[in-house]
This record gives sequence, structure tokens and C-alpha cells, in this order.
Amino acid sequence: GAGVSQSPSNKVTEKGKDVELRCDPISGHTALYWYRQSLGQGLEFLIYFQGNSAPDKSGLPSDRFSAERTGGSVSTLTIQRTQQEDSAVYLCASSFTGTAGELFFGEGSRLTVL
Amino acid sequence: RKEVEQDPGPFNVPEGATVAFNCTYSNSASQSFFWYRQDCRKEPKLLMSVYSSGNEDGRFTAQLNRASQYISLLIRDSKLSDSATYLCVVRFPSGGYNKLIFGAGTRLAVHP
Repeated sequence: GAGVSQSPSNKVTEKGKDVELRCDPISGHTALYWYRQSLGQGLEFLIYFQGNSAPDKSGLPSDRFSAERTGGSVSTLTIQRTQQEDSAVYLCASSFTGTAGELFFGEGSRLTVL
Repeated sequence: RKEVEQDPGPFNVPEGATVAFNCTYSNSASQSFFWYRQDCRKEPKLLMSVYSSGNEDGRFTAQLNRASQYISLLIRDSKLSDSATYLCVVRFPSGGYNKLIFGAGTRLAVHP
């Protein structure tokens, strides 16, 4: 389909390893968001990309987290030296504009850090 | 104080009941407001935007009170299929960006 695609859908890793999560937004959407959701909790904002502007990184919880968006399309969220508290579902969403558009979410990447 | 606060519930109601959720936000410069729905272990999906004059979509009515900084969602004639978590979402300017912040959600369980 033409929705937001995330991979992997599930990732189990050992504490201390690095992980990369990928998001392929809907074609033509200029805004891309990353959130994470721990079990039974709400969505925690991580980072926001809007067109070619510098991203809003204010939600990244530590310097172990980074994200990039290449060519204004695909985005990768990287978590270095994973910790158990990083276990969560990482959700990516895109919208046509960054100001008023509806967010379309992917199905998420479930990360488990052992 | 959290930027967006919701009563976590759960709200347990029988089919046909009317139920209302409230959400408060802290930033008076907030510009846009939404209700999203999230089914168990699924991604959130837009339920409806919230307009200043209030708006209705079938059994769902959303209201905005800027003076008191809260929004509400009213569901009439509840159906079993309404069981989900309802997320209040607020957009406000911050540091040159438009931040889109989700509340923690209110869980609704509709029973026969």
C-alpha cells in the first residue's frame, strides 16, 4: 500500500548493541515525526523533520539517540549502546504539511533490549 | 505540569451510553487540536480535528475552550467498536518549530 512503512517490525537486541530503525513516509509528505510508546503509556515525542529545515531534536532523550532523513524522504532512527529502558514501540508518522495536516502513522517498530 | 493531560480512565460504559473525555493543555499559544484513536497494539489514527466553534461527526462531538485551555470529546450511543484509547493532541509553537504533543490517552471500554 501507500502508507507509512517501518522496519523492522520487531527487533530484539542485547544491551549495549546499536540499532537502526527505518521509516519510509508517504510519498510527497514533507513532515516526518518519530515518537516512542512504552507499554501502557502515551506517545513520547522524539524528533521532527520538516522539509529541508533543521530538525527539531528537542525530544531525543539522550545523545545515544540520533536520526536523519535523507533526500527529504526515508528516515533512520539510530540508538547507540542500547539500554533496557529503550525498550518500546517506535512510531513514525508523516503528514503532507507540518502545520495542519493529519498524521499518518506506521505500524511501529517494537524494540526489546535484553 | 505536563503539556497535555488526560484522565487515563478506564471508562467502563454499557452500550448506548454517552461518555465524555476532557483534556487540558498548558501552552496558551496552542494552535491546533485533535483527537486520535488508538486500538490495542495498533498505531494511532485521526478521529477528528477540533475547531474553535466545536464540531460534530456522527456520534462524536468535539469542543474547544481556549479560555480554560481544555478540549473535550463526547461520544453518544456508545458501540462495542468504540472501545479504544483516545488521545488528545495539541500543536503549539516552540523554539521555532510546531510541536505536536500527544496526551497519554483515555481508555474506553464499552461492554454489552
